[in-house]
Amino acid sequence: QSVLTQPPSLSGAPGQRITISCTGSRSNIGANYDVHWYQHLPGAAPKLLIYADSGRPSGVPDRFSGSRSDTSASLAITGLQAEDEADYYCHSYDISLSGYVFGTGTRVTVL
Amino acid sequence: QVQLVESGGGVVQPGRSLRLSCAASGFIFQNYGIHWVRQAPGKGLEWVAVVWYDGTNKYYSDSIKGRFIISRDNSKSTVHLEMNSLRDADTAVYYCTREKELEAPFDLWGQGTLVTVSA
Repeated sequence: QSVLTQPPSLSGAPGQRITISCTGSRSNIGANYDVHWYQHLPGAAPKLLIYADSGRPSGVPDRFSGSRSDTSASLAITGLQAEDEADYYCHSYDISLSGYVFGTGTRVTVL
Repeated sequence: QVQLVESGGGVVQPGRSLRLSCAASGFIFQNYGIHWVRQAPGKGLEWVAVVWYDGTNKYYSDSIKGRFIISRDNSKSTVHLEMNSLRDADTAVYYCTREKELEAPFDLWGQGTLVTVSA
């Protein structure tokens, strides 16, 4: 059972903007541990999308952006494209668990 | 080529053991901690275990603590996950991934290996 909560699913039309939330607590995001985001396509390896809250690895389009506030973080996708259909996960560290945690995951559907 | 390749998955009966391997290439292996992350059918990603870059520290999730053992051989750029007393709930695709330092992102992942625990 994950300690980082995400909406199970979100959808949007091509070109729209969607925001995926990742709600944690004072033992993970609220303890100032970095939040990272991954895109996971079926049958493929997860891909790092955002690191350290808002950093973008080389090759990731600037349509993807990250932010954080208090005990939560968000991933925004602007100009939604068909290729963005995937599962998205946030990831951080939890001091009370002494371990790494992933969010519950959000499936994004492009209408 | 910078990559991680998992192997060793398969079908195993409950209570039995299985050993997964993760072979690294294309980067300085001993500079990275290596993690195992799994995904059960229809479920999300779950962190399983980590071994530090030099093998001195190992940490496990509560769900597998006492049953799984992670180890590494820097001379062979390989990490192993020894899985004992397997349960149905351990059925999942197991990925290995790397971390440059504490709190760093998992920036490289393998393709995964499927473990099915079934009688």
